[in-house]
Amino acid sequence: ETGVTQSPTHLIKTRGQQVTLRCSSQSGHNTVSWYQQALGQGPQFIFQYYREEENGRGNFPPRFSGLQFPNYSSELNVNALELDDSALYLCASSLAGRGGANVLTFGAGSRLTVL
Amino acid sequence: GENVEQHPSTLSVQEGDSAVIKCTYSDSASNYFPWYKQELGKRPQLIIDIRSNVGEKKDQRIAVTLNKTAKHFSLHITETQPEDSAVYFCAAPGGPGGYNKLIFGAGTRLAVHP
Repeated sequence: ETGVTQSPTHLIKTRGQQVTLRCSSQSGHNTVSWYQQALGQGPQFIFQYYREEENGRGNFPPRFSGLQFPNYSSELNVNALELDDSALYLCASSLAGRGGANVLTFGAGSRLTVL
Repeated sequence: GENVEQHPSTLSVQEGDSAVIKCTYSDSASNYFPWYKQELGKRPQLIIDIRSNVGEKKDQRIAVTLNKTAKHFSLHITETQPEDSAVYFCAAPGGPGGYNKLIFGAGTRLAVHP
């Protein structure tokens, strides 16, 4: 059984640029959630994908968007980067159904620095 | 929407002592309460969780208690060890994303001193 893998692990961008982060879900999981974790804070929910569609969204602007692919992997895209977007972006997979959607397995994260 | 508050923000104990972290939530419809441990530079890892149909759950040195009437739940770590040092997060379902999504507390930094 493979865990959740994310890429890249670290990246540096400048304001106004765009970034794509990638996530492979744990084997057997069908749901992917993305969280933003600023330094010293708890993870903040961005959105969740299930059956290749967005299935709930937190308080993040439309320049945060995502995709889920048929193999359940996912991408997070952020356009027009701002300094405050600097954070650790965590992907978490889970198995929807029978109350399992909230039992999250996290990846190691992608640390984004915006200069 | 759901709001999860966590206290204390930092906790320092001597090895062998007990540690207790408390969380309150606002949405009475929440029914699942996990605790995650995050070591420095690593991913959050689920250490224990509880569903609303039980009041307490134990797993070796850790336990979680739930008081649905008061809308709070607590993590208890007994016989603490230096390797328990980490940031601990509680969470509850709800918020703008709905009940299949978790809202996290701000975290408690636990330091266990030898």
